[in-house]
Amino acid sequence: GEDVEQSLFLSVREGDSSVINCTYTDSSSTYLYWYKQEPGAGLQLLTYIFSNMDMKQDQRLTVLLNKKDKHLSLRIADTQTGDSAIYFCAERMEYGNKLVFGAGTILRVKS
Amino acid sequence: EPEVTQTPSHQVTQMGQEVILRCVPISNHLYFYWYRQILGQKVEFLVSFYNNEISEKSEIFDDQFSVERPDGSNFTLKIRSTKLEDSAMYFCASSRTAISFFGPGTRLTVL
Repeated sequence: GEDVEQSLFLSVREGDSSVINCTYTDSSSTYLYWYKQEPGAGLQLLTYIFSNMDMKQDQRLTVLLNKKDKHLSLRIADTQTGDSAIYFCAERMEYGNKLVFGAGTILRVKS
Repeated sequence: EPEVTQTPSHQVTQMGQEVILRCVPISNHLYFYWYRQILGQKVEFLVSFYNNEISEKSEIFDDQFSVERPDGSNFTLKIRSTKLEDSAMYFCASSRTAISFFGPGTRLTVL
C-alpha cells in the first residue's frame, strides 16, 4: 500500500546543514515533493523531483532520491531560524493525481 | 504570484450542522483537490475533481461529503451533517501539471 514515513523531529544550530529523510513504499511514484508548513499557515511547495532523477539542487536546497531504497532526503544548507517549520514529504502515484504525505518532520533551528 | 485562497480561515459549527468550505483555485488550473489534516496527524487526501466531476476519492469521502464547482471560479466542499471527528484543517489545492499548490486552509471545529 501507499505509505510515507519521516522522522518526527530534527534540531540543528543556525548555520549548520539540516538533512530531513523520508522513505516511501510505492515504487510507481512519479514525483516526490517537499512541502513546508509554518505555524498556522498552509503547505508551501519547496521543491520536487521527478522519479527518474537522483538529485536536484535549488539554491540552499538539495534533494536526493534513491529509488532502489525508496529513500528521499532534503538537505538545507546554512540553516536559518526562518527555516524552523514542519517539512512534509509527499509522493504522487503513477495513476491519478493525489498526493500521499508523510507525518511531517519538525525542524527546530537554534540560534 | 497567483495563489489558492480559502474562506473562512476558521469555522466553528455544532455537531449535525452542514458546513460549506470555499476555495478559489488558481485560475488556469484544471485539477482541484481537498485534503484534511486532523491535529497531530498526516495530511490526508479526500477528493480530486477534474472536468466537472470527481476523478478520485478516498474512503474518508463518504456520502456526508460533496464537492462542487458552482461558477467556474469557486470550488466548494460541503459536509452535510458534521461529526466531532470532522474537526480538522481542510486544505484546498489545485494543479495544472504534476505540481499541486495548496491554500492556507480552513480550520473546522465541530462542537
